[in-house]
Amino acid sequence: GNSVTQMEGPVTLSEEAFLTINCTYTATGYPSLFWYVQYPGEGLQLLLKATKADDKGSNKGFEATYRKETTSFHLEKGSVQVSDSAVYFCALKLSGGFKTIFGAGTRLFVKA
Amino acid sequence: DAGVIQSPRHEVTEMGQEVTLRCKPISGHNSLFWYRQTMMRGLELLIYFNNNVPIDDSGMPEDRFSAKMPNASFSTLKIQPSEPRDSAVYFCASSLAGQGQRAEAFFGQGTRLTVV
Repeated sequence: GNSVTQMEGPVTLSEEAFLTINCTYTATGYPSLFWYVQYPGEGLQLLLKATKADDKGSNKGFEATYRKETTSFHLEKGSVQVSDSAVYFCALKLSGGFKTIFGAGTRLFVKA
Repeated sequence: DAGVIQSPRHEVTEMGQEVTLRCKPISGHNSLFWYRQTMMRGLELLIYFNNNVPIDDSGMPEDRFSAKMPNASFSTLKIQPSEPRDSAVYFCASSLAGQGQRAEAFFGQGTRLTVV
């Protein structure tokens, strides 16, 4: 079936460290791929997205590239801040589908 | 736009009582989703609507749960009777179905339900 697998957390980093959160997917056809972020006490919000192979989504210093050959959409940031502490969800949406399929989420802690 | 609005933000109720959660989607959005989030099970899709019609309710855990969308600007999720294991954060989200797979989902701030 269609699914998203992301690395288990929590991930703990020091401020200014490099961040990678791995995400791979299984899907029929050519889905759109998303990263959502959930800050404490809030709902999920879109961080970035990519709608076709080799597209790069970027926002707030975060980047992810749609890799069809490896069915991956890894999230990266060159220098994390304490304010980036949150739960990050990788997700996909199928062509013609209504719903978004989410991964389990990865909690990130950034220490000052 | 005010975003997706959920009420109440917090609800504490006794086991056996009826609980109703409310959601107002973003104006113009025609897809609406109800999710449940717990530490153990993560984010689960319960049900979703398109143009006020339920499309898939396979995620609804059992008959105690029901959802309605009487019009484009309002939806409810009802639990009757409630049980302690229903304690979770319930999210409502909306999106624009016409944008197809490119459309992002916009989430409300959630309702934290505690059943004692």
